[in-house]
Amino acid sequence: QKEVEQNSGPLSVPEGAIASLNCTYSDRGSQSFFWYRQYSGKSPELIMSIYSNGDKEDGRFTAQLNKASQYVSLLIRDSQPSDSATYLCAVNMFNQAGTALIFGKGTTLSVSS
Amino acid sequence: ETGVTQTPRHLVMGMTNKKSLKCEQHLGHNAMYWYKQSAKKPLELMFVYNFKEQTENNSVPSRFSPECPNSSHLFLHLHTLQPEDSALYLCASSQEVFNYGYTFGSGTRLTVV
Repeated sequence: QKEVEQNSGPLSVPEGAIASLNCTYSDRGSQSFFWYRQYSGKSPELIMSIYSNGDKEDGRFTAQLNKASQYVSLLIRDSQPSDSATYLCAVNMFNQAGTALIFGKGTTLSVSS
Repeated sequence: ETGVTQTPRHLVMGMTNKKSLKCEQHLGHNAMYWYKQSAKKPLELMFVYNFKEQTENNSVPSRFSPECPNSSHLFLHLHTLQPEDSALYLCASSQEVFNYGYTFGSGTRLTVV
């Protein structure tokens, strides 16, 4: 069974702190990895993609990938209350429905002002 | 219209009804997907269409029937559903099935009574 694992949280951080979100995946052959943000009652929104080992930065967001450890993470610097949402890790895998993104359960982040 | 549009936004149906969910994408993408999102569970991939061709998924009950008449439109036909099928049904599209992030529609909140 192809899986993506995340701690469900909630992860609580004060405003201005760094939030660290983690994800592991089961398919060693996966090549593309994504982070989505989902506000309550809304659909998922793509915020980061990463394909190579190492770090990728975009504004306050940094995605980190380690394929040998099958581990992906997302760092949010200078966290803001508006960052409070559920963050979904998604990994491109081949499964019984075809090749598609398989999602983790998501980590709920709460940023307090 | 831009992005991915889903209709209806909300649907209440009896267990003996037949209804259809509609998805339309205006992004020129070649792949479209149906996902189910239930409380406390990760997004569940239901169907994948790549260039209008579906990959069979025998894990989805036959009371769900997808249809993709062209690369811009995707339907999910529903019949004789069960109360446990109540969930948020999300449509997504991507440029290709490999290595591209997905754009999600706003979803259809389905309640089976």
